[in-house]
Amino acid sequence: AQSVTQPDIHITVSEGASLELRCNYSYGATPYLFWYVQSPGQGLQLLLKYFSGDTLVQGIKGFEAEFKRSQSSFNLRKPSVHWSDAAEYFCAVGSVRSSNTGKLIFGQGTTLQVKP
Amino acid sequence: DAGVIQSPRHEVTEMGQEVTLRCKPISGHDYLFWYRQTMMRGLELLIYFNNNVPIDDSGMPEDRFSAKMPNASFSTLKIQPSEPRDSAVYFCASSPGTSAPTKNIQYFGAGTRLSVL
Repeated sequence: AQSVTQPDIHITVSEGASLELRCNYSYGATPYLFWYVQSPGQGLQLLLKYFSGDTLVQGIKGFEAEFKRSQSSFNLRKPSVHWSDAAEYFCAVGSVRSSNTGKLIFGQGTTLQVKP
Repeated sequence: DAGVIQSPRHEVTEMGQEVTLRCKPISGHDYLFWYRQTMMRGLELLIYFNNNVPIDDSGMPEDRFSAKMPNASFSTLKIQPSEPRDSAVYFCASSPGTSAPTKNIQYFGAGTRLSVL
């Protein structure tokens, strides 16, 4: 069965420090991979996506993620965190099969707190 | 484009009342999704439509929940009768559906926060 695991429910980092949020997936083939961010009281906003090709993808707000097939991972990174990055982050996977339904499977989310 | 528009943003109702949540997807998008978000269960897919037709409603919790999409620019999620355990944030999302990769890019509305007393 397809699944997405975000091992860290809550992470606290200091402003200016680097950040890595983990995401592991279980799937029979390479899926489409996404990171979304949800600020308090808002909907989910797409940060970045991986479909194929270069395994290091750049997104908005200075975020990047690296797809590692051997580890079934798609970790999100940012070299220097800003206080405005405090939010909840969701990893998601979609199907690459020909019967692609457009559905996404979301992880449980990681809440990022930024200390001044 | 204005993005996905949901209304109302907040809804407070009493147990047993009917609740209707509304969604206007992004123009030209073929897929529409309804999600529910709670602290306990996270983000759950309730139902989704393709070209106004319901494709998968296996996530709808029970018969009290129903969803319709009468045209490409409007969808409703109805709860009748509502119960306190229905309190959650309900999101609507739409996606282009033109080819496999872009079909998976979902754009979310700001959500409706429902409180059932």
